Amino acid sequence: NFMLTQPHAVSESPGRTVTISCTRSSGSFASNYVQWYQQRPGSAPTTVIYENKERPSGVPDRFSGSIGSSSNSASLTISGLKTEDEADYYCQSYDSNNHLIVFGTGTKVTVL
Amino acid sequence: QLHLQEWGPGLVKPSETLSLTCTVSGDSIGRSSYYWGWIRQPPGKGLEWIASIYYNGNTYYNPSLTSRVTISVDTSKNQFSLKVNSVTAADTAVYYCARHFAGGNFNWFDPWGQGSLVTVSS
Repeated sequence: NFMLTQPHAVSESPGRTVTISCTRSSGSFASNYVQWYQQRPGSAPTTVIYENKERPSGVPDRFSGSIGSSSNSASLTISGLKTEDEADYYCQSYDSNNHLIVFGTGTKVTVL
Repeated sequence: QLHLQEWGPGLVKPSETLSLTCTVSGDSIGRSSYYWGWIRQPPGKGLEWIASIYYNGNTYYNPSLTSRVTISVDTSKNQFSLKVNSVTAADTAVYYCARHFAGGNFNWFDPWGQGSLVTVSS
């Protein structure tokens, strides 16, 4: 089984840009896409990026997703940070060999 | 608009069976091309996928939980359910149900229900 590793926490000032990484221990995001979820305190997760870089309707374009050239790393970038962006963010992907869905360790974003 | 709502007992005794149901409104499970899944989150911890099911009963489970977990669907009631046997304190979590987009390269969840806290305690 593979793991998805994220930084525990990141912080930045309003208006700035923050990037969260997600590293896959094995396999590739090119063949098993990554998703990103935002979870505000006391609420259920919501999707901010699906299929590596697609944004659901209603999610501002301040949120963007990408995968690295080696395809075992992914990033979520939030530009023009707002206080409402303060939340936990989880990446998620799939292991097609074992039919296993895995979530990342989660990153707490603090807007100072 | 699609809406999912979990319901079930909030307190379960150790060694007993945890049972939860998710009611779907705004779409028909039996006529949709989606899977439907369960995910849980222990207090203060991360997310863990449990299991998913298709309207025709096709299922897949997290290998770490498959021996204790059963997922089922009732298309007539537009509901799907989860049972976890022989629970321990480690099964204490908020349990979420969600629509599951499943395909060759993609597997993701949206939207999610509000979540149901289940505490395992005597």
